[in-house]
This record gives sequence, structure tokens and C-alpha cells, in this order.
Amino acid sequence: GAVVSQHPSRVICKSGTSVKIECRSLDFQATTMFWYRQFPKKSLMLMATSNEGSKATYEQGVEKDKFLINHASLTLSTLTVTSAHPEDSSFYICSASQGQGNQPQHFGDGTRLSIL
Amino acid sequence: GQSLEQPSEVTAVEGAIVQINCTYQTSGFYGLSWYQQHDGGAPTFLSYNALDGLEETGRFSSFLSRSDSYGYLLLQELQMKDSASYFCAVTLQGGKLIFGQGTELSVKP
Repeated sequence: GAVVSQHPSRVICKSGTSVKIECRSLDFQATTMFWYRQFPKKSLMLMATSNEGSKATYEQGVEKDKFLINHASLTLSTLTVTSAHPEDSSFYICSASQGQGNQPQHFGDGTRLSIL
Repeated sequence: GQSLEQPSEVTAVEGAIVQINCTYQTSGFYGLSWYQQHDGGAPTFLSYNALDGLEETGRFSSFLSRSDSYGYLLLQELQMKDSASYFCAVTLQGGKLIFGQGTELSVKP
């Protein structure tokens, strides 16, 4: 079945650091990937749609300069949290679908980001 | 706006059957998905309904009625390992998902 890999699984770093999270589709090509954020005991909130070869589409209220997304190939999207602060601490999860965009999404294992 | 409603928590005993309902109001609809998430883990895909009717996958079944903007997840022969959060999610144009707030299922012995 479709497999999405996310790395790293956990990051702990100091305030002001920039953190890069990678999302890879291992056995299929994904022209579109999605990035979500989840706070404890809360639902997943879509942050942005990552489009291969073009700019990401951000949801309302998500700072594009804060959360940089790059989708340089059909199997890799990266999310960089720039100048991270404690309020950016959260669980970040990527997803991708095999085939056309309206197919079910498969999620990576998530990255737990803790900013001290 | 987009909204999905599902119960916040459900409790059942091992071996029982439980149904988790989901109603939605969204601008656009391509399908309804269900995901399971254990504490500390990522969501795991369970089922997807694009058309009305029942989809069965082992102990789990999912139902959709587009005219009622309603769906449910049915879990049979409950096991302790089924204790988790369950999310319904609507697929919008382009494949992006809008999630419900999640239902925490507790399975008791």
C-alpha cells in the first residue's frame, strides 16, 4: 500500500532555531502533499497544500513566511518552521494521496516539535 | 464555513458494537473518510466513502448518505486495542481534508 515517510519524528530545540521537516512518498509519486498541525487533544488543522514545482497554497491564518514549504520533486515536500518559538510547539503531520487529488490521504508518522 | 460534528467521546465494552456518527456542512464534497489515531501516533486511514451506501472492511464499516450530509463508522467485535480517537474528514476539491473534532473511544473489559 501507499507509504508516506516523515522525518524527523521528534525535535527539541531552542527558541529562534529554524527546523526542517521532510515528507516523502516512498512508493508513489505525489504532485500534491498536505501539511497539518495538531495540538494535544485537538483535531488536525490543514496548514497548507504543497504543490510540486509551484508555490504552496496556505490556509487562512497561516503565516507563509513562518512556515516555508518546498516541493522540489514528486516524492519530497519539506516544511521549515523559521525562527521557532514555544507557541510553535505542536505535532506536524504531512499527507499525500496516490493518484488524483480526491483519493484518500495517507499520513506520515508525524513530527513532534518542542521549542524550549 | 466548513464544519463537521461528531460526538466527543464514546464508551463501550469488549465484544460490543459501536457507531460513531458524523454530520457535515462543507462547501464542496468529494468523499468522507475515517481515521484512527492512538495517543502520540499519526492518523491511520480506515475507510473512504465517495458514494452513498455501506463500505465494509473487516470489523469496520462506514456508511454515507450524501443527501443527509451524514455518515457513520461502525466498529464490531470491539477489542481493547480499538481504544483511540476516531476522526471523520471531508475531502474537498484538490484533495485537502477538513477534519471533525474527533471521538475518543474507550473500550472497557
